[in-house]
Amino acid sequence: EADIYQTPRYLVIGTGKKITLECSQTMGHDKMYWYQQDPGMELHLIHYSYGVNSTEKGDLSSESTVSRIRTEHFPLTLESARPSHTSQYLCATQTEGTGQGLNYGYTFGSGTRLTVV
Amino acid sequence: QKEVEQNSGPLSVPEGAIASLNCTYSDRGSQSFFWYRQYSGKSPELIMSIYSNGDKEDGRFTAQLNKASQYVSLLIRDSQPSDSATYLCAGRIIRGAQKLVFGQGTRLTINP
Repeated sequence: EADIYQTPRYLVIGTGKKITLECSQTMGHDKMYWYQQDPGMELHLIHYSYGVNSTEKGDLSSESTVSRIRTEHFPLTLESARPSHTSQYLCATQTEGTGQGLNYGYTFGSGTRLTVV
Repeated sequence: QKEVEQNSGPLSVPEGAIASLNCTYSDRGSQSFFWYRQYSGKSPELIMSIYSNGDKEDGRFTAQLNKASQYVSLLIRDSQPSDSATYLCAGRIIRGAQKLVFGQGTRLTINP
């Protein structure tokens, strides 16, 4: 049973449209992340949040924006989609803890595969 | 130099053999390390974590950490075709405020 949900799973949209990719989690984790990944390529961090009203840009420059109004919800928005935005978008939460081991590991959602035509 | 580096492969191993995946990291202060498996078109799933020097075993998987040499490895014994996937190494980099830094992934193919 998944504790982190991404919708939609697949999206095909025209150039210039505004889109929002949804990510929700039921674990109460403060830390959440958005990654972009092209097929067969590495993960690129595009946004992250350490809690409500906290958002930061990641390592890869992105034209997307994020918000964190509630702990469980971390949506990603593209104001004007372009073909260059075609990719898979992965949302993840990070396990909290004061110890080590599995603490601080990520749990990924199923991803949204976006195609901009 | 990348903070976490993997040989991108592809790595091809016959069924039943041991697959060995390697990862090096640059920040000597790095703590926990994680191995994720990612099937084509799917999201990464956590399979092993390690934070102490030495070996950690879980079923057919063994993670190895050598902090002096700054490398992490994953051994898969009795490899099965279902182990064919991309394996991602990730480290918790202290100066990254607990974010995980991922390597580029190693594509593994198990040949029947």
